Amino acid sequence: QKEVEQNSGPLSVPEGAIASLNCTYSDRGSQSFFWYRQYSGKSPELIMFIYSNGDKEDGRFTAQLNKASQYVSLLIRDSQPSDSATYLCAIYTGTASKLTFGTGTRLQVTL
Amino acid sequence: EAQVTQNPRYLITVTGKKLTVTCSQNMNHEYMSWYRQDPGLGLRQIYYSMNVEVTDKGDVPEGYKVSRKEKRNFPLILESPSPNQTSLYFCASSLTLADFNTDTQYFGPGTRLTVL
Repeated sequence: QKEVEQNSGPLSVPEGAIASLNCTYSDRGSQSFFWYRQYSGKSPELIMFIYSNGDKEDGRFTAQLNKASQYVSLLIRDSQPSDSATYLCAIYTGTASKLTFGTGTRLQVTL
Repeated sequence: EAQVTQNPRYLITVTGKKLTVTCSQNMNHEYMSWYRQDPGLGLRQIYYSMNVEVTDKGDVPEGYKVSRKEKRNFPLILESPSPNQTSLYFCASSLTLADFNTDTQYFGPGTRLTVL
């Protein structure tokens, strides 16, 4: 089982819709959870981080964490074509000296 | 401006020709890390450094070397590059490892390496 799993996509949503991106992880001791956006050929950029169960909202983005079920999700409201990118889920377990990344979900927002 | 810089941004080389990819940060960060990114495999850590003169292997260290003689610089060295090291490489830094709980890493712009 991979440490961090994401559906590779592509996930296609129409402009203005809600995009829902999901990530599951295997280490129950994971402490912090991050969502990065990466445009093709560019470096990852942090969108949100969350470390408590529940929802965290920042503008059009909402991160949701459920530690009991070991999943974290990212909701993008009012999706825009500029949101088309690959979204990387990353976790910090507190035991390994790194972030562990999923392979990413490619999101396509169509006009 | 706070940033992580990498050089070169693009490099095409041949098997066996030693090369160095430089990484520098201007944020006085203690923690620095190198990743490679390959299709379907995601970001994988090569080496990391907790501070000056403190380095350790990540998940895929074979064929790579690093050094941390100064806090701001963390070069990645490929002594004898091979075609399977063709990849997109990212350097990243963070104030400290503990900052992962509330913050995250700042990534450089990436270096696209092709080994023929």
